[in-house]
Formats: sequence, C-alpha cells, structure tokens
Amino acid sequence: QVQLQESGPGLVKPSETLSLTCTVSGGSISSFYWSWIRQPPGKGLEWIGYVYYSGSTKYNPSLKSRVTISVDTSKNQFSLKLRSVTAADTAVYYCARDGSDYAFDLWGQGTMVTVSS
Amino acid sequence: SYEVTQPTSVSVSPGQTAGITCSGDKLGDKYACWYQQKPGRSPVLVIYQDNKRPSGIPERFSGSNSGNTATLTISGTQAMDEADYYCQAWDSSTDYVFGTGTKVTVL
Repeated sequence: QVQLQESGPGLVKPSETLSLTCTVSGGSISSFYWSWIRQPPGKGLEWIGYVYYSGSTKYNPSLKSRVTISVDTSKNQFSLKLRSVTAADTAVYYCARDGSDYAFDLWGQGTMVTVSS
Repeated sequence: SYEVTQPTSVSVSPGQTAGITCSGDKLGDKYACWYQQKPGRSPVLVIYQDNKRPSGIPERFSGSNSGNTATLTISGTQAMDEADYYCQAWDSSTDYVFGTGTKVTVL
C-alpha cells in the first residue's frame, strides 16, 4: 500500500532554512494533493501548505512568506523549505495526502525538528 | 483567519456515548472531518466529508455537521478510544483548518 516517509535534519539553527523531503512509496505521486502539517510539542496540528503533482501550490497565510513546497515526480517526492526559522518552528513535521475528500487519509510517521543553536 | 474551536477535554465511561463538538462560523457550509491521535503516533482519519467512515474505522464512530457545529460521536466507547481528537474544516476559501483538539478520557 502507499506509504509516506519524511526525511531531513532533526536540528536547525535559528535564522536558517528547514528542509524536509517526503518520499511516496507503493504508489504514484502523480495524483492527489500532498501537504505538510506540523505539531509543536504538546500542541495541536497546523496545516503548512500543499503541492499538486503538477507543481501548483497553496500555503497557510500565516506561513506563506517563509514557505516553499515543491514536487519531484521523477523521484516520487515532495519537499518543504521553511526559511528564517525560530524556536517557534520546533515541531513534529508530517507529510500527508488529501485523498480527494478534503481530508488527510494518509500520513507519514512524522519527523521531529528542533530549532536551536 | 478562520478559527475552529473544540472543548479541551471530554470524559466518558466505558460503553457510554461520547460527543465531541467542533465550532466555527458557518462550519456547516464546509466539509468537516475528524482525526484520532494517540500519544507518539500520527493522526488517523476516522470521519471525512462530515459523516463518512474510511474503510477499517469501526461503526461506533459517526459524525454530523450543521450550522456552526460539527460533532463526532463515539457510541459504546471503548478503552482503546482514549486519544486526542482533532476536527478539520475545508472549503475553497480557507483550505485546511484544524480545530484546537480534544482529549478524550475513558474512565
């Protein structure tokens, strides 16, 4: 079955760029909307943005100025870049799929990213 | 920005019915869904498009959405249902907005 796996550094310095990749296995990325979602320790979920396989994107207005999400269909991957990070960006970052029902039916296991010097 | 609020916590006795509410302006005009999240685990979709259950989700989970409130109902609650539950709203203007989350305790 289709699985998602996040990868990337677990520690990022303040003011630098957080970069994560989500690899889609067991199926093609060439359909559906693919999102990044984060969850600070002990807090709730926050949608960051999505990319469609065609490359079109949409972002949470609260993060839009710092976020870029891109897709590489040849590698079956999509990626997140979050610029100028602060401690407030410390969170578990999940990649997820909208299964055409305006809900996330498939999630990665999540990766913890800590922003600290 | 659009906001969706949930009660912080709900307690329920085993075998009883738990209701978790999700409130937002004209929420009934949007699609609502619900996720269950256990400690250290990724969220799992339990209700989508207001009241549909994904394959593999027990029938005791049901949903409704009208007016300003969406509700997740767990009938015959079991100890394994103890978890955090998040609602999420979607429409073309607000995209995906998560609720604040509710901790369900099965006493």
